[in-house]
Amino acid sequence: QQQVKQSPQSLIVQKGGISIINCAYENTAFDYFPWYQQFPGKGPALLIAIRPDVSEKKEGRFTISFNKSAKQFSLHIMDSQPGDSATYFCAAQISGGGNKLTFGTGTQLKVEL
Amino acid sequence: KAGVTQTPRYLIKTRGQQVTLSCSPISGHRSVSWYQQTPGQGLQFLFEYFSETQRNKGNFPGRFSGRQFSNSRSEMNVSTLELGDSALYLCASSLGEGAGESYEQYFGPGTRLTVT
Repeated sequence: QQQVKQSPQSLIVQKGGISIINCAYENTAFDYFPWYQQFPGKGPALLIAIRPDVSEKKEGRFTISFNKSAKQFSLHIMDSQPGDSATYFCAAQISGGGNKLTFGTGTQLKVEL
Repeated sequence: KAGVTQTPRYLIKTRGQQVTLSCSPISGHRSVSWYQQTPGQGLQFLFEYFSETQRNKGNFPGRFSGRQFSNSRSEMNVSTLELGDSALYLCASSLGEGAGESYEQYFGPGTRLTVT
């Protein structure tokens, strides 16, 4: 049972454009939603995270939008750059449930010049 | 500050053999989690250790086991390897247990296991 669904599987965006990746979750016990960025040959690295009591969080060019009633959240990358080309994973965690992260299936982003 | 170290980085084993992977967390981190990453299944949680105790376990067969030592270093073992065990095994360390920026999980580069 996939508890966190992520789309699209792959995404090609022009330099300077906006990249949007969407995730939906099923388990309402999830209360922490991080996004990870992974480059080839590297482990995932935390990019930005949000809790469900906040509808939006922005850090630089990266913004998370959160819709608690729809159980959906999304990552927006503004002014996308070739250096942003990587695989992005959304994840969900339950406070008090240890450090277990439930990941989405990943989105391979390519930013073209 | 040194990051999470995983050894070996690459490993080739034969079906039926067993393998042990090692993870050294960031200094001061007491929690270590393990994940399996495959193209088909994505990132799946294996287990988590905190202060030498297994705190959480994912849906993997008993062939997958782990342990944590008093210095927080962790090992995972896979016995009777199957072709489907070929994957990137990632280790993540954290200061402690919890969800939030204070407990950010830092991933190592992984061990690429190939079973032939």
